[in-house]
Amino acid sequence: GAVVSQHPSRVICKSGTSVKIECRSLDFQATTMFWYRQFPKQSLMLMATSNEGSKATYEQGVEKDKFLINHASLTLSTLTVTSAHPEDSSFYICSARGDSGTNTQYFGPGTRLTVL
Amino acid sequence: QKEVEQNSGPLSVPEGAIASLNCTYSDRVSQSFFWYRQYSGKSPELIMSIYSNGDKEDGRFTAQLNKASQYVSLLIRDSQPSDSATYLCAVIRRAGTALIFGKGTTLSVSS
Repeated sequence: GAVVSQHPSRVICKSGTSVKIECRSLDFQATTMFWYRQFPKQSLMLMATSNEGSKATYEQGVEKDKFLINHASLTLSTLTVTSAHPEDSSFYICSARGDSGTNTQYFGPGTRLTVL
Repeated sequence: QKEVEQNSGPLSVPEGAIASLNCTYSDRVSQSFFWYRQYSGKSPELIMSIYSNGDKEDGRFTAQLNKASQYVSLLIRDSQPSDSATYLCAVIRRAGTALIFGKGTTLSVSS
């Protein structure tokens, strides 16, 4: 089956630092990747949609200058949280969709970000 | 009205019983429907996808879709304690767009 990895799985950082999260599709080419954020006891909220080689499309209310997304290849997308603050602490999850014609998205294991 | 609505639960069933999870969606043009299971602290894992009206069975799981009523359900037969998790209903409105999730229903199966 399709496998998506994320790195790191957990990160703790000081307020004001930047954190980069990697999302990789291991056995398929992901034409589209999606970044979600999940706060405790809430559902997944879409942050942005990323297509390989083009700029990401951000959802309303998500600051594109704060959450930098790069999708430079068909197997890798990165999310950088710039100048992180405690309110950015959350569970960040990526998903990837191939070009097989289905709408199925495969999720990475998630990254737990804690900003002190 | 939220795009995808689920009863947050918790839904409690005894081991061996049938668990019934429900979901409604607001956008009539939605074309793809999914059920994901999420354990605490983990990312969602796909259980079922359904695209056309009717029932779709996979092992102990049956998904049901009624586009006229804008309603999707998931039945879990012979529920096991390991089925205890949050079940997320998700919808794709147009091909290639992102999943839109409901808040999830927490299922608790007691042994």
